[in-house]
Amino acid sequence: DGGITQSPKYLFRKEGQNVTLSCEQNLNHDAMYWYRQDPGQGLRLIYYSQIVNDFQKGDIAEGYSVSREKKESFPLTVTSAQKNPTAFYLCASSINPGTGWFEQYFGPGTRLTVT
Amino acid sequence: AQKITQTQPGMFVQEKEAVTLDCTYDTSDQSYGLFWYKQPSSGEMIFLIYQGSYDEQNATEGRYSLNFQKARKSANLVISASQLGDSAMYFCAMRERSNYQLIWGAGTKLIIKP
Repeated sequence: DGGITQSPKYLFRKEGQNVTLSCEQNLNHDAMYWYRQDPGQGLRLIYYSQIVNDFQKGDIAEGYSVSREKKESFPLTVTSAQKNPTAFYLCASSINPGTGWFEQYFGPGTRLTVT
Repeated sequence: AQKITQTQPGMFVQEKEAVTLDCTYDTSDQSYGLFWYKQPSSGEMIFLIYQGSYDEQNATEGRYSLNFQKARKSANLVISASQLGDSAMYFCAMRERSNYQLIWGAGTKLIIKP
């Protein structure tokens, strides 16, 4: 079955540590996205990538970094510079948005808790 | 600036009744797309329905339909014959042609009562 996998589902870290969230898709989608969701709020875009080896900052990129070395993979690193990293993180992918109106498909999410 | 407003933080609806979830948007672009997603308690986002700004007909997908009123800038989701499994958060989102980002509303929590 095609889809998006995110691991782990729950992640706990101590303050000051960097942590990397995994996102893999086998949908052959060009575009991938990382969102953050806080309680009672909609999704906010952290980073997105339309093609391998290229990515753009979203609205809340500070304290995060990404890489896109393979089409299938778009890992997100939450660095110690992120002031309030505890949140639910969702990865998504879509057909290249430059070619039409395509919905985004989402993974199951990773709930990160930093103490 | 783009903006999505969902004015209903929560709704209770009796099973088998129809329900309308409100969404208004703000954009200066003439070409845009509107999306509705469902988020069950498990957390993943499930795509429900899409409406393009130039589509003349309201979109429908099974029990879901989108009541698109362009002049009022509203894109309400209608769920017919609600089921217990419809209980979830529902999000409205918009994308302008010139921008690859989806802008999201704050969501509406729908609870279906047996």
